[in-house]
Amino acid sequence: AQSVTQLGSHVSVSEGALVLLRCNYSSSVPPYLFWYVQYPNQGLQLLLKYTTGATLVKGINGFEAEFKKSETSFHLTKPSAHMSDAAEYFCAVSDRGFGNEKLTFGTGTRLTIIP
Amino acid sequence: EADIYQTPRYLVIGTGKKITLECSQTMGHDKMYWYQQDPGMELHLIHYSYGVNSTEKGDLSSESTVSRIRTEHFPLTLESARPSHTSQYLCASSERLAGVNEQFFGPGTRLTVL
Repeated sequence: AQSVTQLGSHVSVSEGALVLLRCNYSSSVPPYLFWYVQYPNQGLQLLLKYTTGATLVKGINGFEAEFKKSETSFHLTKPSAHMSDAAEYFCAVSDRGFGNEKLTFGTGTRLTIIP
Repeated sequence: EADIYQTPRYLVIGTGKKITLECSQTMGHDKMYWYQQDPGMELHLIHYSYGVNSTEKGDLSSESTVSRIRTEHFPLTLESARPSHTSQYLCASSERLAGVNEQFFGPGTRLTVL
């Protein structure tokens, strides 16, 4: 079964600083990988996803993530944090191929931006 | 505008009451899902459906039930609410894009059972 580990349940960065949110998966076959963002009292919104091809994936709001097979990681970064980035971020995976409809989520990382 | 809706957004109810959480999507997606999310914790899949008259239990055991009579509608019902059911419930639907199922989420229903 797939599992996802997000290191750091809370991350605080200063406005303008680099944002780094960590995600590792456990699977012998690289899965499809997703990052979602959840603002207070809202549902989840897809930031970006990796399926195949280029390992550096660009998403919305200036975020990007790099798939590293050797490290089984898919860390999320943003060069310069903005106050509006404060939210909960979830990494998720799904199996490739038929039957990949279900997502497995990590426990989430709450990002706080310090003015 | 294509979207996914959940009502009510917030619900406070007493123990023993029957409740139905509504979820509707206007995107024509065949696949729909219900997740339970406790504060500071990951989302747990409790029900899913791959189309009309198709429903399956998810990874997390739940006392709730679901139905899928119409493509766009996927309601969740609790016959007798208990304080342990207090949680946020998120509905999602998905479409297959280039072989990948991308899920779209509703705004959620925050349920409190007293």
